[in-house]
Amino acid sequence: SQTIHQWPATLVQPVGSPLSLECTVEGTSNPNLYWYRQAAGRGLQLLFYSVGIGQISSEVPQNLSASRPQDRQFILSSKKLLLSDSGFYLCAWSVGFTLGGYTFGSGTRLTVV
Amino acid sequence: DQQVKQNSPSLSVQEGRISILNCDYTNSMFDYFLWYKKYPAEGPTFLISISSIKDKNEDGRFTVFLNKSAKHLSLHIVPSQPGDSAVYFCAASAQAGTALIFGKGTTLSVSS
Repeated sequence: SQTIHQWPATLVQPVGSPLSLECTVEGTSNPNLYWYRQAAGRGLQLLFYSVGIGQISSEVPQNLSASRPQDRQFILSSKKLLLSDSGFYLCAWSVGFTLGGYTFGSGTRLTVV
Repeated sequence: DQQVKQNSPSLSVQEGRISILNCDYTNSMFDYFLWYKKYPAEGPTFLISISSIKDKNEDGRFTVFLNKSAKHLSLHIVPSQPGDSAVYFCAASAQAGTALIFGKGTTLSVSS
C-alpha cells in the first residue's frame, strides 16, 4: 500500500534561519507531488508541485523553494525564514492530477519566531 | 484572486440534523470537484468527489451537489454526528493538468 511520510511534525525556527522539510512516498512510482501551506485565514494554498524528478512548478512567488532529487522525495526549503512563513505545511501525492484525489501527509507545524 | 470560495468560515449544527456546506468557483475550466475533511494537526483526508458530467454524487451520509450554471457546489451531511466536527475544504481542478485548488475551508461544529 502507498504511504506518505512527512517530517518533522513540529518545528520552531528563528527569523533568518534556513529551512528544510522532507516528504517521501512509498508504494508508488512517478507520483505527482505537492507542497501546500495552511496559514491563518488562508485555507490550503498550493506552493509547489512536481510531475517528475527535477521538475518543479511554483504557484506563489515567495521565500521558499522546492526540489525533487528522487522520484519519491520532495523537499521544501528556505535560505532565510520570515515571520510570514509560519504555518502548517502539507505534502501530498497523487497519480496524475485528478480523479483519485490527493493523499496528504500528516503535516509540519512551522513557527518562525 | 480566489478561484474557489467558501464564504462561510464556520457552521454550527445539532446532532441528527443536516449540515450543508457551500462552495463557489469562478473558473469555468474546472470540471472535477472534491471535498476534504481535516482535523487539527492532521493532513486533510478525501471525502467525496464529483465530475462535471454529474450533478449529484452520494456516499453514505454524504452527498455532493453540483450546479454548473451557478458555479456552485454543496456538501450535505445527513444525519450530522459529533465526529463530523472538522474543517471541510472544497477543491477543484481542470482536466488540463493543473493541481487542485482549495478553498479557505469551513469549520463544522456538531453539538450533541
